[in-house]
Amino acid sequence: EPEVTQTPSHQVTQMGQEVILRCVPISNHLYFYWYRQILGQKVEFLVSFYNNEISEKSEIFDDQFSVERPDGSNFTLKIRSTKLEDSAMYFCASSRGRTGNYQPQHFGDGTRLSIL
Amino acid sequence: QQQVKQSPQSLIVQKGGIPIINCAYENTAFDYFPWYQQFPGKGPALLIAIRPDVSEKKEGRFTISFNKSAKQFSLHIMDSQPGDSATYFCAATYPRAYKYIFGTGTRLKVLA
Repeated sequence: EPEVTQTPSHQVTQMGQEVILRCVPISNHLYFYWYRQILGQKVEFLVSFYNNEISEKSEIFDDQFSVERPDGSNFTLKIRSTKLEDSAMYFCASSRGRTGNYQPQHFGDGTRLSIL
Repeated sequence: QQQVKQSPQSLIVQKGGIPIINCAYENTAFDYFPWYQQFPGKGPALLIAIRPDVSEKKEGRFTISFNKSAKQFSLHIMDSQPGDSATYFCAATYPRAYKYIFGTGTRLKVLA
């Protein structure tokens, strides 16, 4: 069964440094998402991306965050200047159609981001 | 209004028991309610989902019960097994949405 793959599985970065998290969504999916999960807490929506633009973002997704689909297969999340509170598990997800049209999202196994 | 409240936070049952996880919402615009299962070190995996035009949906040992008037829905796991030990999240979304709103999760442990 096709799956969403994320790299790296664990990223350790100094506070203030830039970090890029990478995802390869399922190949025929058109909608892409990033969520984060602080240890032991709920999964929180960050941003959704469709047709090469952001379709929705949360209040967490401020100017320090950006997303990009640099080619036909990768989807990236960049954090420009990391803070201690950015430490979390970041999940990429994809769906064939729009979430609001009953299309399920499929999640990767996440990247654990640790900010020192 | 965007929240989904989930309970209990954790649950321990004996093998063969029927754990029940409950979720409640306020936003009547929500019209799709998936449940996700997450094992340690893994991403959430879709388990089962329901729309509010049905009151119950079964897939294998997993059943969702939906009470539209009470704005509540619950997951029942029949004949639970130690392999079902995981964290379960309910979620909700609404028409034209691009996101899920997740509940706070329930950590289930099934004892052998």
